Amino acid sequence: GQQVMQIPQYQHVQEGEDFTTYCNSSTTLSNIQWYKQRPGGHPVFLIQLVKSGEVKKQKRLTFQFGEAKKNSSLHITATQTTDVGTYFCARNSGGSNYKLTFGKGTLLTVNP
Amino acid sequence: SQTIHQWPATLVQPVGSPLSLECTVEGTSNPNLYWYRQAAGRGLQLLFYSVGIGQISSEVPQNLSASRPQDRQFILSSKKLLLSDSGFYLCAWSVSSGKFSNQPQHFGDGTRLSIL
Repeated sequence: GQQVMQIPQYQHVQEGEDFTTYCNSSTTLSNIQWYKQRPGGHPVFLIQLVKSGEVKKQKRLTFQFGEAKKNSSLHITATQTTDVGTYFCARNSGGSNYKLTFGKGTLLTVNP
Repeated sequence: SQTIHQWPATLVQPVGSPLSLECTVEGTSNPNLYWYRQAAGRGLQLLFYSVGIGQISSEVPQNLSASRPQDRQFILSSKKLLLSDSGFYLCAWSVSSGKFSNQPQHFGDGTRLSIL
């Protein structure tokens, strides 16, 4: 009940193509966070979504929180080689405000 | 600004040897602190977290332990390493949470631990 499922596990695209990763929960989420981890690096916080139906943009990245607050998505428009990495969603864990449960991530590779 | 330091960056240890990984945070007070392990499958597994000095919560049973001797210092230890302890260990911190919302977590550069 505290897990988040991320799909796809892997995605390979040509540079310039769009990319979307999805994060799904069987239970209602109070909020969802997204992180990016470059190859060999550490996860870096991207954004947090809190409100039902919320949409936030960061340049070519669009983050969406579902109306029922059970799913979220990250969409990248016109991918670049700098977008390569693993994208994780994370939900609060155990009803706490300080623990997170991370999804297994989506590994994005971009062919130049 | 806040920074997090984690060392060493890489470590090769024989089976049965002890372990001590250290993490320190600067520029903030009373942070929440976390130790994660990331295996080859890319997922992040929470090992320990701490919301204050001397307060440690363990998430999974294992032969690892954690301590927080100072407000901004978090140490991961083992008396005897196992082969299965190999992995990428990440320390993270977050601001002490508000009542209703998770705070972003900020990660150190990690330690790649190989057990031989």
